[in-house]
Amino acid sequence: EAQVTQNPRYLITVTGKKLTVTCSQNMNHEYMSWYRQDPGLGLRQIYYSMNVEVTDKGDVPEGYKVSRKEKRNFPLILESPSPNQTSLYFCASSSPTTEGGYGYTFGSGTRLTVV
Amino acid sequence: AQSVTQPDIHITVSEGASLELRCNYSYGATPYLFWYVQSPGQGLQLLLKYFSGDTLVQGIKGFEAEFKRSQSSFNLRKPSVHWSDAAEYFCAVEAGTASKLTFGTGTRLQVTL
Repeated sequence: EAQVTQNPRYLITVTGKKLTVTCSQNMNHEYMSWYRQDPGLGLRQIYYSMNVEVTDKGDVPEGYKVSRKEKRNFPLILESPSPNQTSLYFCASSSPTTEGGYGYTFGSGTRLTVV
Repeated sequence: AQSVTQPDIHITVSEGASLELRCNYSYGATPYLFWYVQSPGQGLQLLLKYFSGDTLVQGIKGFEAEFKRSQSSFNLRKPSVHWSDAAEYFCAVEAGTASKLTFGTGTRLQVTL
């Protein structure tokens, strides 16, 4: 089954304690992205990757890092989490479609609480 | 840069009534447009998408959307709402040159019995 797998689904952590949210896809997609969802703000892109070792900032990259050492994995790293990073996070992978544009597959989400 | 506006934060409809959720986008060229639904505590599910061609797009769960270039709109409709349709709905636009979705702020749909 084609899917994007995020772990963990839920995470409560303390301010300043480094954490990593993993994301893996089994569709051989070149593009992968991270989004955060906040009430009243919708989903906003944090970082994206066009291929292995190629990453770039999205709209809200501050406080986050990513890496893309393998095509299937795109972890999101919070080196010093703060309470304003409490949010629902989604990983997505995508590939071009024959119709134009891209087809997207989203993970199930990671609900992060920073206290 | 592209942007999406969903003017209605919260909508309440009676079960069996018709539904229209509004979405306006800002983008210079022909956009690729999407509607997603998120049930409470769940992830995102794609309802439908518009890439080109027929401006009336059919999706899953009985939803449809119409692309109107002159109004920069992509409104979502359903002729008869079911209680299970209660959820949050997001409109999104993709610029096409990069794999990035820009989402609206969402519309929460409540269905009364």
